[in-house]
Amino acid sequence: EIVLTQSPGTLSLSPGERATLSCRASQSVSSNYLAWYQQKPGQAPRLLIYGASSRATGIPDRFSGSGSGTDFTLAISRLEPEDFAVYYCQQYSSSPWTFGQGTKVEIK
Amino acid sequence: QVQLQQWGAGLLKPSETLSLTCAVYGGSFSGYYRSWIRQSPGRGLEWIGEINHSGTTSYNPSLKSRVTISVDTSKNQFSLKLNSVTAADTAVYYCANKDYSSTWPFDSWGQGTLVTVSS
Repeated sequence: EIVLTQSPGTLSLSPGERATLSCRASQSVSSNYLAWYQQKPGQAPRLLIYGASSRATGIPDRFSGSGSGTDFTLAISRLEPEDFAVYYCQQYSSSPWTFGQGTKVEIK
Repeated sequence: QVQLQQWGAGLLKPSETLSLTCAVYGGSFSGYYRSWIRQSPGRGLEWIGEINHSGTTSYNPSLKSRVTISVDTSKNQFSLKLNSVTAADTAVYYCANKDYSSTWPFDSWGQGTLVTVSS
C-alpha cells in the first residue's frame, strides 16, 4: 500500500500568513490522484483539492494544490480564522486508499 | 451533492459485531462508490472498504476477514458490519461517497459515529 507522510506535524501561523503543507508518497501516485481534506474538531473531513490541483466545489481560491509523482503541496495563500484546522492528504490511485497522518495548522 | 446520514450502536463489548447504516440522499444511483472510513488517535484515518452501484465490494486487506459491506437499493442505504471487535476497533466511523469511479476522492461524508469497544 502507498504510505503518505505529511510534514510538518504542526504549523503555527498568524492570520494573513501563507501556509505550505507537504505530503510525500512512498511510491508514485499515478495520474496525480491525490486529494486534500480539511477537518475541524467534531466534524467530518471536507474535500478541498482533488487531482492534486483542482479545487472542489465551493472552495476559495486561496487554497491551491500542486505536485506530482511522490511530492505534493497544499498552499493557503492568506490564512483566514476559519482555516485553522487539520489537513489530510489522501491517495486514490491504488487500493487500499490511504491517508496521511495530518498537519495541524494552529494560531500562533 | 449527495448527503449522508448514519446511525448505529455506539457501545460494544469485545467479540460483538459492529453494525452501522448510512442513508444516501440525492445524487446518482449509478456510477457511485460508497465507503466506510474510520478515525482513531492511534491509526488516523483508515479506509475500511466500499461497495459500488453493481454491488461489488472491495475491502482493506487489514480488515477484510472481519468486514461486510452491503447495500439496500430500495432504501438508498448501505451498511457496515465488523465482527469480533476489540478495543482496537474503537474509533469514529464515517460513511463516505465517491461519484463516478473508484479512483475518485471522497466528496461527501456522513456526520460520523463514535463506536467504543469496552468490557
